[in-house]
Formats: sequence, structure tokens, C-alpha cells
Amino acid sequence: QSALTQPPFASGSPGQSVTISCTGTSSDVGGYNYVSWYQQHPGKAPKVLIYEVTKRPSGVPDRFSGSKSGNTASLTVSGLQAEDEADYYCSSYAGNNNLFGGGTKLTVL
Amino acid sequence: QVQLQESGPGLVRPSETLSLTCTVSGVSVSSGSYYWSWIRQPPGKGLELIGYIYNSGTTNYDPSLKSRVTISVDTSKNHFSLKLNSVTAADTAVYYCARRHYYFYMDVWGKGTTVTVSS
Repeated sequence: QSALTQPPFASGSPGQSVTISCTGTSSDVGGYNYVSWYQQHPGKAPKVLIYEVTKRPSGVPDRFSGSKSGNTASLTVSGLQAEDEADYYCSSYAGNNNLFGGGTKLTVL
Repeated sequence: QVQLQESGPGLVRPSETLSLTCTVSGVSVSSGSYYWSWIRQPPGKGLELIGYIYNSGTTNYDPSLKSRVTISVDTSKNHFSLKLNSVTAADTAVYYCARRHYYFYMDVWGKGTTVTVSS
């Protein structure tokens, strides 16, 4: 099974919105509403931001939102803040396992 | 508060077996609705799911690692373990244990432990 496809880099200025895509197939992203997104700061463990495509765990700011259309899921970060600079990974259930995307490095300009 | 903590050798010789343990606190590994997972991250690269185990002992492994991996759970010690045999330099990575929620996302992660494969 191949990894999900994410753009390697994304950037935005403070206050702006940025959207990161995650493309899979009908066997993973498109086939199930079990897409999750993780934020990872350097040297730290990943932290879940979004699960089941659109849901946020308690404590995650509502600046983070998720969506899905067909085989592509998206994470939108609104009102960019300096602390949002991190790596972001998508993941999807794929029938018998979880696939991860290659990661997107988000830079806050 | 649920916490996970990885432990094990930081250096493993090529062709030998990598062994790690994840100690769980705040919840029993026997509790339903959760799968106990191992994930790794090679230097400068993305996340790779190694596999997971359910409290019944049911396991699922990444196909590319399946022939070398064993994940087991010890309910008496409330921990689960990873064994990866015949390691090479390509197995050098930060290894994370994580709790996989019933709805297929990792909701609690350990801090990670670095394992280097080198002679």
C-alpha cells in the first residue's frame, strides 16, 4: 500500500489561512470517513488535530478544520499563528491498516 | 490521564533483534475499543505504521515488515512490546508507541525513543 500524497511544503503569513491536501484512493481516503490529521513540532511526538475527517478533540483550537471530497482530504488552518509552524501528517484507514501521508512542512512567514 | 512510555536499547547491531516495550498508565491494555500501536519515523522522514495489537491478541502488521515483526501484549504488566528481527541501517528511526482509537486514529502517543542500527 502506498503512502497518501501530501505537498511537501506550505506557507502563509500570520492571520492568513492555509489548506493542506492529502490525496489517496477509493480504497482509503475515498472509501472511509476515517481520515485524521496530526501536528508534529520538531523533536516532539505527533498530536492529533482532526479525526473522522472533521472532528476535533477537546483542546484543539477551532482554527483547525478538516474536510474531504472524493479521494482528497484537506486540513485548513485559519488565522495562522507562529506556533502553527510544524509538520502535518494525514492518515486514513485503509481496510486493514492505517496509511500515513508523507508530511507537509508548514512555514509561518 | 493516559500515558505511554517507550523503553529499550538505543543501539542495535545489524542482523540482530530490536526489542522495545511500551508501558501504559492510566488505562488497562485490556480495555476494549483500543488498539495498541507501534509507529516509526526514520530521520528526516515521515511516519510509518509498523502494526498494532488488540487486547485479544489479534495483530495486524504493515505488509513490508510483516515477516520480521512481532507485537505482543502483557496484561499483567500493562505493557505491550515490539520485536523487529534481522535489522539493518534502514530500521534506524524514532519509534513511537500509540493508542489507536476504535475509530482509527492515534489519540495518545508516547514521547518516542531513538533506535540506531549500527555496528
